Amino acid sequence: KQEVTQIPAALSVPEGENLVLNCSFTDSAIYNLQWFRQDPGKGLTSLLLIQSSQREQTSGRLNASLDKSSGRSTLYIAASQPGDSATYLCASLPSGTYKYIFGTGTRLKVLA
Amino acid sequence: EAQVTQNPRYLITVTGKKLTVTCSQNMNHEYMSWYRQDPGLGLRQIYYSMNVEVTDKGDVPEGYKVSRKEKRNFPLILESPSPNQTSLYFCASSFGTEETQYFGPGTRLLVL
Repeated sequence: KQEVTQIPAALSVPEGENLVLNCSFTDSAIYNLQWFRQDPGKGLTSLLLIQSSQREQTSGRLNASLDKSSGRSTLYIAASQPGDSATYLCASLPSGTYKYIFGTGTRLKVLA
Repeated sequence: EAQVTQNPRYLITVTGKKLTVTCSQNMNHEYMSWYRQDPGLGLRQIYYSMNVEVTDKGDVPEGYKVSRKEKRNFPLILESPSPNQTSLYFCASSFGTEETQYFGPGTRLLVL
């Protein structure tokens, strides 16, 4: 059964730093991998979706990569800002299923 | 405005008292799902629906029911709530299983 892991669970960085969030998954047979942002007390907002045939996706200061062979995805945030403070979750959709598997998230704090 | 709405947002109830959490989307999405979010466990999928009258179990379906009689609505039913169903619940929708998911704001449930 697919397992998704996000390490570290929490991260604090000073404003302006470039940072990388990690997502690992045990089964490389996936349809896609999505990155979400969750603000306290709010729902999830989709940031980037990478299909299994793609290697990366970019949106503004965000870049997500996918390496199925190693079971890893990374979310790169350039020039971090205090407004980026949130919990970031990744989710994979294993091939042959319609059930998303989420990681437990990385709680990011960007210090002004 | 494209959105997923959930009601109620907060609910306190007692063990055994049947309740329904409603979910509605205005984007003509075919795929809808319910998740629960618990500290340390992340988001886990309860049920999902591929289209009207087509539903299937996620990873934690015990104690829950769903129905999909209309494309826009996907209510979650707890026939006999128990304290272990105290959680934060999210409804989500997308055009298809491989498309970006849009999440509702969440329903915080406390079962006494």
